[in-house]
Amino acid sequence: GDSVTQMEGPVTLSEEAFLTINCTYTATGYPSLFWYVQYPGEGLQLLLKATKADDKGSNKGFEATYRKETTSFHLEKGSVQVSDSAVYFCALSDRRSGYSTLTFGKGTMLLVSP
Amino acid sequence: DGGITQSPKYLFRKEGQNVTLSCEQNLNHDAMYWYRQDPGQGLRLIYYSQIVNDFQKGDIAEGYSVSREKKESFPLTVTSAQKNPTAFYLCASNNAGGAISNQPQHFGDGTRLSIL
Repeated sequence: GDSVTQMEGPVTLSEEAFLTINCTYTATGYPSLFWYVQYPGEGLQLLLKATKADDKGSNKGFEATYRKETTSFHLEKGSVQVSDSAVYFCALSDRRSGYSTLTFGKGTMLLVSP
Repeated sequence: DGGITQSPKYLFRKEGQNVTLSCEQNLNHDAMYWYRQDPGQGLRLIYYSQIVNDFQKGDIAEGYSVSREKKESFPLTVTSAQKNPTAFYLCASNNAGGAISNQPQHFGDGTRLSIL
């Protein structure tokens, strides 16, 4: 079945450092790809998405490019802030019984210190 | 504002009891989902529903049941058959149905269930 693999955390950075969180996937067909963010005690919020190969999703300074040749969707940010500390989830859309659902990676915790 | 409301935020269950988690959305979404989140495990799909009066088992449906009598409501019951129910439960919704695969899911703030 479809699957998503994320780098293990926690990722610990100083404020203004460059961020990369790796995400690779295995899927049949052409899934859409998503990054979600979860702050402590809350649900998930959509951060960005890409629906086809070579698409770049971006939001709040975060970017990720859908790379079909390497089956990857790495999350990047040029300068992180303390407020970016959260858990980040990579996900892909897949099909079950003819309907679309999401398969998530295990999440990567990001800790940013002042 | 439109959104998804999960209640209660914290829930405690005694051994052998069934407990029901509420999920209501006013986004007019057709599809609704329940996930379980455990530390280091990511999110795992319990049940999902694409239309009223229809729902499908996800990856870890054993010990859980759902109903979808109204479009805006998708309650989850954790039964006594679920041997390890302590977890964070998340409800989500979107407009994805059938061939549409690029619609993101919107999430509630979750319910944390603990065993007394």
